[in-house]
Amino acid sequence: EVQLVESGGGLVQPGGSLRLSCAASGFTFSSYAMIWVRQAPGKGLEWVSGISNSGGSTYNADSVKGRFTISRDNSKNTLYLQMDSLRAEDTAVYYCAKAQSKTLLAGPSDWGQGTLVIVSS
Amino acid sequence: QTVVTQEPSLTVSPGGTVTLTCDSSTGAVTSGQSPSWFQQKPGQAPRTLIYDTRNKYSWTPARFSGSLLGGKAALTLSGAQPEDEAEYYCLLSYSGARVFGGGTKLTVL
Repeated sequence: EVQLVESGGGLVQPGGSLRLSCAASGFTFSSYAMIWVRQAPGKGLEWVSGISNSGGSTYNADSVKGRFTISRDNSKNTLYLQMDSLRAEDTAVYYCAKAQSKTLLAGPSDWGQGTLVIVSS
Repeated sequence: QTVVTQEPSLTVSPGGTVTLTCDSSTGAVTSGQSPSWFQQKPGQAPRTLIYDTRNKYSWTPARFSGSLLGGKAALTLSGAQPEDEAEYYCLLSYSGARVFGGGTKLTVL
């Protein structure tokens, strides 16, 4: 059974940083691309970042480009999202998702339960 | 900026059939855009129902089906159940990007 457990969310001041982690189990982590998707309170889903199975290719949405960095440690079966220069509009639940394949922009198949990030002074 | 449009809300009677659509601001949706569909209930994480236009996962109820219809991606629910009341999102692929639709709130009433 695929399990994805996010951690690292919390309250941070505008301009601050936070690192999210996603611990994966139940599948061969190194064979699949991984994705971060977020959902602002009462709003829809937004594709934030994606990373290929090897970590060699990454994608960031324009809204986070230059501020967020996605990475992975295949030896630890863990996905990360480093979030810098945080803004109020980054407040959201952040979901980790396993992609359907190793391809960078493959869609999500399995989802974690999410971690809440609140950016506020 | 690419916009993916869904019906804001739809209502279906129990046992009835309803089709949700997903439209692209760039033109007709194609299978090459790998349409996916997701279900989200209040307070829960999304769940993937359909990928690559019409493919299902082992957990996808048989009453859900995906297709292309009139230049849009479509999700058809045949034989709606009370537990199908949820928000539904589509996802389309563009060169170098993936874009979610705004979601359809489906009421079973």
